[in-house]
Amino acid sequence: DIVMTQSPESLAVSLGERAAIHCTSSESLFYSSNNKNYLTWYQQKPGQPPKLLIYWASTRESGVPDRFSGSGSGTDFTLTISSLQPEDVAVYYCQQYYTAPYTFGQGTKLEIK
Amino acid sequence: QVQLQQWGAGVLKPSKTLSLTCAVSGGSFNDYYWNWIRQTPGKGLEWIGEINHSGSTNYNPSLKSRVTISIDTSKNEFSLKLRSLTGADTAVYYCARGLRFSYWSGDLLYYNQYGMDVWGRGTSVTVS
Repeated sequence: DIVMTQSPESLAVSLGERAAIHCTSSESLFYSSNNKNYLTWYQQKPGQPPKLLIYWASTRESGVPDRFSGSGSGTDFTLTISSLQPEDVAVYYCQQYYTAPYTFGQGTKLEIK
Repeated sequence: QVQLQQWGAGVLKPSKTLSLTCAVSGGSFNDYYWNWIRQTPGKGLEWIGEINHSGSTNYNPSLKSRVTISIDTSKNEFSLKLRSLTGADTAVYYCARGLRFSYWSGDLLYYNQYGMDVWGRGTSVTVS
């Protein structure tokens, strides 16, 4: 199985400041046949299912605020929130779709400083 | 707006079989993958498996010997069965719609899943 590792495990950021969450995979997630990285980011708030934020490493899902952005390729990826808002407090997960089983990172808990 | 409504027993005895069903309303059934995922405080999120509208399945090898995912296109429903339960199967179980991407490589058409955009509310299952 591809192992997904997120860092840090928890993060406290001041309102309006930038937050960055990192995700590394044990294998490359880049499909040369279609030039896509099969890396997805989710946001999960307490008592709710995960919400899709970003797919193909950098494509924002419809309706997701543009303060959320994804970057990276191969084995190293980053989710960035440019200006933290109160409603962004959540746990964030990366997931790989390069090959089944589609494995998740362990999650990063984002809080307000 | 697409909605997934899931249901099934919440408390089960060890060695029994978990059965959950997820009903899809408000959207196409044919152009997506349909997934089951579970979540525990200890292991986090774990993908259980997927099925498409044709009934083709793909399971997590760690659960493959105990899992069956099936689909009923006449009812727009898909289901999960997990056999021989132990306490380690205690979790919140989610159903989710998987986005499908198709592309040609040479003469072959490939389909990939690349994200889960609609989720059920989750069913808390306790094995005890």
